[in-house]
Amino acid sequence: SQTIHQWPATLVQPVGSPLSLECTVEGTSNPNLYWYRQAAGRGLQLLFYSVGIGQISSEVPQNLSASRPQDRQFILSSKKLLLSDSGFYLCAWREAGELFFGEGSRLTVL
Amino acid sequence: AQSVTQPDIHITVSEGASLELRCNYSYGATPYLFWYVQSPGQGLQLLLKYFSGDTLVQGIKGFEAEFKRSQSSFNLRKPSVHWSDAAEYFCASARNNFNKFYFGSGTKLNVKP
Repeated sequence: SQTIHQWPATLVQPVGSPLSLECTVEGTSNPNLYWYRQAAGRGLQLLFYSVGIGQISSEVPQNLSASRPQDRQFILSSKKLLLSDSGFYLCAWREAGELFFGEGSRLTVL
Repeated sequence: AQSVTQPDIHITVSEGASLELRCNYSYGATPYLFWYVQSPGQGLQLLLKYFSGDTLVQGIKGFEAEFKRSQSSFNLRKPSVHWSDAAEYFCASARNNFNKFYFGSGTKLNVKP
């Protein structure tokens, strides 16, 4: 069966520090992969999606970037974190027209 | 642009009472529609989805939703709420290429004993 893993689960970082959140999917090949951010009271905001290795679509201009170095790996990065980057980050993959979510990574920027 | 609106931020119902959570979408064609549930600090779990056909869809945990094209709505219902249903509920839509999924801002459900 397919599974999705995100790490780290919790992260506290100072303003201006770099960020790397990783997402790995198992049990499927060439999935569509997504990064969403959930800020308090603001629902889920689509940040990036990828239909294949090296193919990244950005939904909103922001301080973050995404990369897909391998078929089942999706990485969310930042060179310098801002306070506004705090939130709950969810990775998801798509199959049969539906999204399956990881457990999320909670980022607090201080 | 495609969007999803959930007009209720918080809803409180008594255990055993019926529930309806509202969702409206804006999209020229019929979108694909979903309801997800999120427990605190967790990822999202799919409750049900509508692609085509019967406009009343059944999901897990006793939930159902009805697609109404004339009202651009996809409201979630449950006839009798259990305390374990307390969570945040998200409505979502996707276009027919499924490349992008758009989520509403969520409705937090509290259940009174």
